Amino acid sequence: GENVEQHPSTLSVQEGDSAVIKCTYSDSASNYFPWYKQELGKRPQLIIDIRSNVGEKKDQRIAVTLNKTAKHFSLHITETQPEDSAVYFCAASISPRGSTLGRLYFGRGTQLTVWP
Amino acid sequence: DVKVTQSSRYLVKRTGEKVFLECVQDMDHENMFWYRQDPGLGLRLIYFSYDVKMKEKGDIPEGYSVSREKKERFSLILESASTNQTSMYLCASIEGNSNQPQHFGDGTRLSIL
Repeated sequence: GENVEQHPSTLSVQEGDSAVIKCTYSDSASNYFPWYKQELGKRPQLIIDIRSNVGEKKDQRIAVTLNKTAKHFSLHITETQPEDSAVYFCAASISPRGSTLGRLYFGRGTQLTVWP
Repeated sequence: DVKVTQSSRYLVKRTGEKVFLECVQDMDHENMFWYRQDPGLGLRLIYFSYDVKMKEKGDIPEGYSVSREKKERFSLILESASTNQTSMYLCASIEGNSNQPQHFGDGTRLSIL
């Protein structure tokens, strides 16, 4: 099955700096890549996603890039704020031919800390 | 807004007990999932279901079973709880199409003594 690797496992930045989290995947059939943010004691929440027909997507301070050839995708957060502190998970999904269900394969998470 | 509700936020049980974790979603989603979350290991899939009475094993099904008698409800069962099943359990659901975000419940922190 698919294998998703995520780096780094921890990341500390100063408020206002940028943060980048990188993920690689193994199965070239993967075609959907969501990113989740999980604050302490809360549920994971989708912050941005990208599909394989798109190379980059942006939403205010958050952007995701996808390189299908190299099989990696990255989350970029600019002008970080203390409230960005959380665990971030990347994931990949495959749509098997003839199936309506594609499970998500998650990375192990990155603990981002933004210092004021 | 999608609502995925897990019956308990915190649960303490004893070794050997049969434990039921319940999850209900209110959006008529076909597909539901149970994950286990442990520090440094991310979210690991235990079981999932794409229809009533249908189930598929995930990556770590040993020691668990599931039940999907109604579309909105997906139950995770620990047949005989053990201390290594102490963990955070998360339920999620999506619509039928796979390229959609999963919606998570608040999680159940289960402690097995």
